Amino acid sequence: DQQVKQNSPSLSVQEGRISILNCDYTNSMFDYFLWYKKYPAEGPTFLISISSIKDKNEDGRFTVFLNKSAKHLSLHIVPSQPGDSAVYFCAASAGAGNNRKLIWGLGTSLAVNP
Amino acid sequence: GAGVSQSPRYKVAKRGQDVALRCDPISGHVSLFWYQQALGQGPEFLTYFQNEAQLDKSGLPSDRFFAERPEGSVSTLKIQRTQQEDSAVYLCASSLSLWRDNEQFFGPGTRLTVL
Repeated sequence: DQQVKQNSPSLSVQEGRISILNCDYTNSMFDYFLWYKKYPAEGPTFLISISSIKDKNEDGRFTVFLNKSAKHLSLHIVPSQPGDSAVYFCAASAGAGNNRKLIWGLGTSLAVNP
Repeated sequence: GAGVSQSPRYKVAKRGQDVALRCDPISGHVSLFWYQQALGQGPEFLTYFQNEAQLDKSGLPSDRFFAERPEGSVSTLKIQRTQQEDSAVYLCASSLSLWRDNEQFFGPGTRLTVL
């Protein structure tokens, strides 16, 4: 049973427009969420995170929004650039101390077209 | 380079063969993680080390999988008697933090194909 769901396997956006990547989760105990970006033949790289005490976190062109009541978060990239083309993974964690571990979604492949 | 490195990058094994995958984390990183990523899936947690101590091995799929980090730096993931379902990319990540969900730095992965 997938606790972290990224229901869109792929997304195509025009350069300069906004990219919105969505993530839903089922475990209400998740209290920390992260987005990672992955290029082919490379490992994932950390992009941005948000704690459940916040509903928004912004870092440059990247903003993550968290809606706890809907168990939904989204990553907004604006303006989108061709170099943003990659697979984006949503991950979530819960628990205390060394019991915390990341649960990952399946990823969404973003293509930004020039 | 200063990043996480993994070797080999690609490994082809015959079913039943033993394999060893190496991870060199970023120097000084306390935490080290191994993940398995099957095609079209997200990374699945395998095991976690804090320095040389293996604090969580709950994700290892069977007793054919074994990981070690004897001196708290380099780690090896060993798979005995490989099976076709072991074919995947094995990712290693390290972190400066003791918190398991803080930013992790990933290596490029080892793609294992079991024939």
